[in-house]
Amino acid sequence: AQSVTQPDIHITVSEGASLELRCNYSYGATPYLFWYVQSPGQGLQLLLKYFSGDTLVQGIKGFEAEFKRSQSSFNLRKPSVHWSDAAEYFCAVAGDTSYGKLTFGQGTILTVHP
Amino acid sequence: ETGVTQTPRHLVMGMTNKKSLKCEQHLGHNAMYWYKQSAKKPLELMFVYSLEERVENNSVPSRFSPECPNSSHLFLHLHTLQPEDSALYLCASSQGFSGGVQETQYFGPGTRLLVL
Repeated sequence: AQSVTQPDIHITVSEGASLELRCNYSYGATPYLFWYVQSPGQGLQLLLKYFSGDTLVQGIKGFEAEFKRSQSSFNLRKPSVHWSDAAEYFCAVAGDTSYGKLTFGQGTILTVHP
Repeated sequence: ETGVTQTPRHLVMGMTNKKSLKCEQHLGHNAMYWYKQSAKKPLELMFVYSLEERVENNSVPSRFSPECPNSSHLFLHLHTLQPEDSALYLCASSQGFSGGVQETQYFGPGTRLLVL
C-alpha cells in the first residue's frame, strides 16, 4: 500500500525567506510524486510532478522539489516566499497505476508574514 | 470554459433531500474522479471512471451514487446524507491510465456541501 506523510501541519515564514515543506512517502517501487497547492475556497493546482529522470524537478511559481529515494522523500522548496504563496500544500503519491489512484498527505498550511 | 468545472460551488441540504453535484472537464480526458476533502483529513478518493466505466469504488456508502454519461461529464447523486458528509467534494480528470503510466490529475474548484 502507498502512503504519504507531511510532518508539518502548519508552517509560518516571513516574506522573502526560504521555504522547505517536507514529504515522506511509502511505496515499494519507484513512485510517481506530486505537489499540489490549494488556496482558500479553491480546488487543487498542480505545482510540479516527478515521474522519472532528473531528481530535481522544477515547477510553477518558482517552486522546486527533490526526489531522494534513499530517504523516501520529496521535499518542496522555494528560495524566496511571496505573500501570495500562503495556502495549503499537498504532497501525493501514485504507485498503483491500474486506475490512477492518488494518495494524499494531510497537507501543510503555509502562513506568510509581511 | 477551460479546465475542470464544478456546479454548484456551494450546497446546503437537509438529510432527507436529494441533490446532485456536476463536474465537467474540457480537457479531452478519458478518466474522471470524485474526491472528498473533510476538515483535518487527507483527501479521500471516492470513485474513478475510465471511459465512462466505473473502475473504483473506494468503500463509499450507497447514499453517494456516481454517474458518468460520457467522458466529459461526471455526476454525484446524493440522498439521505448525514451531517458527517459535509465536506468539499472535488472532481478531477486525467488523460487516463493505460500502459502503466500515471497521468496527471487536474482538479476542479470543488463543491462545498453542508448537510443539516
